[in-house]
Amino acid sequence: EADIYQTPRYLVIGTGKKITLECSQTMGHDKMYWYQQDPGMELHLIHYSYGVNSTEKGDLSSESTVSRIRTEHFPLTLESARPSHTSQYLCASSGRIRQGTGGELFFGEGSRLTVL
Amino acid sequence: KNQVEQSPQSLIILEGKNCTLQCNYTVSPFSNLRWYKQDTGRGPVSLTIMTFSENTKSNGRYTATLDADTKQSSLHITASQLSDSASYICVVSDRGSTLGRLYFGRGTQLTVWP
Repeated sequence: EADIYQTPRYLVIGTGKKITLECSQTMGHDKMYWYQQDPGMELHLIHYSYGVNSTEKGDLSSESTVSRIRTEHFPLTLESARPSHTSQYLCASSGRIRQGTGGELFFGEGSRLTVL
Repeated sequence: KNQVEQSPQSLIILEGKNCTLQCNYTVSPFSNLRWYKQDTGRGPVSLTIMTFSENTKSNGRYTATLDADTKQSSLHITASQLSDSASYICVVSDRGSTLGRLYFGRGTQLTVWP
């Protein structure tokens, strides 16, 4: 059972509101990621971090920002939410790369955001 | 362009039956291929990871195969159960990439009926 947690699981807010999606992991993983997933579509990487004070934008352009002040915590913030931000946001983390494979990727349960 | 294509898009089977899901990829160079199971409203959970040298890997009733020459993988589910109803996602990683550079398929939505 992966120890990675996301809150809130569901959020409905109005346009223009600032929101922060929380993600925490207790596995001591250096690498953390945020993905966006729409129904029937593939996951798209929007942000990733390889360690404290290290953050990078992913493949999908996003108006969100992230921070990595502590190893275990990787929050995602939308300064001004819009209906186009309605989506499922998945946080993930990975640890040390084992020989011959990439590091195992553990996902949180996701945060379903609806912007009215 | 690196891509991962899954088929079928959706599948309905009766409880107890077997099924096979397909994944074709064009990702190069290849590092590893993963299958994930994602229940509705939940995060994906890893089923298998296979490298270039592995042809088959099992996890209980799930068996994944990989043909690196034809760039194809399959996930076979034996004696399906109602709890197998989920989306199954194929993910390919290219060699030398950062782990963040994974290529995701859109998934196959499997429904198991009683």
